[in-house]
Amino acid sequence: KAGVTQTPRYLIKTRGQQVTLSCSPISGHRSVSWYQQTPGQGLQFLFEYFSETQRNKGNFPGRFSGRQFSNSRSEMNVSTLELGDSALYLCASSWGVIGTEWMDEKLFFGSGTQLSVL
Amino acid sequence: GENVEQHPSTLSVQEGDSAVIKCTYSDSASNYFPWYKQELGKRPQLIIDIRSNVGEKKDQRIAVTLNKTAKHFSLHITETQPEDSAVYFCAASTPSGGYNKLIFGAGTRLAVHP
Repeated sequence: KAGVTQTPRYLIKTRGQQVTLSCSPISGHRSVSWYQQTPGQGLQFLFEYFSETQRNKGNFPGRFSGRQFSNSRSEMNVSTLELGDSALYLCASSWGVIGTEWMDEKLFFGSGTQLSVL
Repeated sequence: GENVEQHPSTLSVQEGDSAVIKCTYSDSASNYFPWYKQELGKRPQLIIDIRSNVGEKKDQRIAVTLNKTAKHFSLHITETQPEDSAVYFCAASTPSGGYNKLIFGAGTRLAVHP
């Protein structure tokens, strides 16, 4: 079974531009979460989608948005890029809702998209 | 708001020694606590997890303990090996808007020296 796939692997943008990142979850997984990883800050939660609905979001500005399609593939968009947006963006998929004991909550991460904003 | 603090940020041990990483969480409603290992240049992978109705869980050389009263949990690695060198992240599942979300700690960089 194919793992979580993220594209592109690397991106270089300039301030003010916008960017779209893509994530294809493991087949059958309906939940996709996005995280921002920066040195010293760990994994910062961006948002989680389940069956095309955003069910949770972290404390990021409105410039960060996302969506999920009917095939569970997800995209995140960052508009008006700032230097501080440079980071590794990871997506993770799982069977179901984190916290429900009757569904597998294990997250499977993609390799990430390394975004550099110049 | 929800928060997970992780200590230490770096840990250096000799091969064969034990390593302990500690995390505290703020939301008493948190009920699921996984640990992820991220080797250099690779994606994070789940190594062990524990639910709030269990105080301890062990899997070969790794174990996790949970103290709900104190709101802290720890990862214990015994007989460390060089391949244990990685960044370890703890996380807590916290309720938000009717669903739970996973909040991660800042990570601990573990170096195991031969």
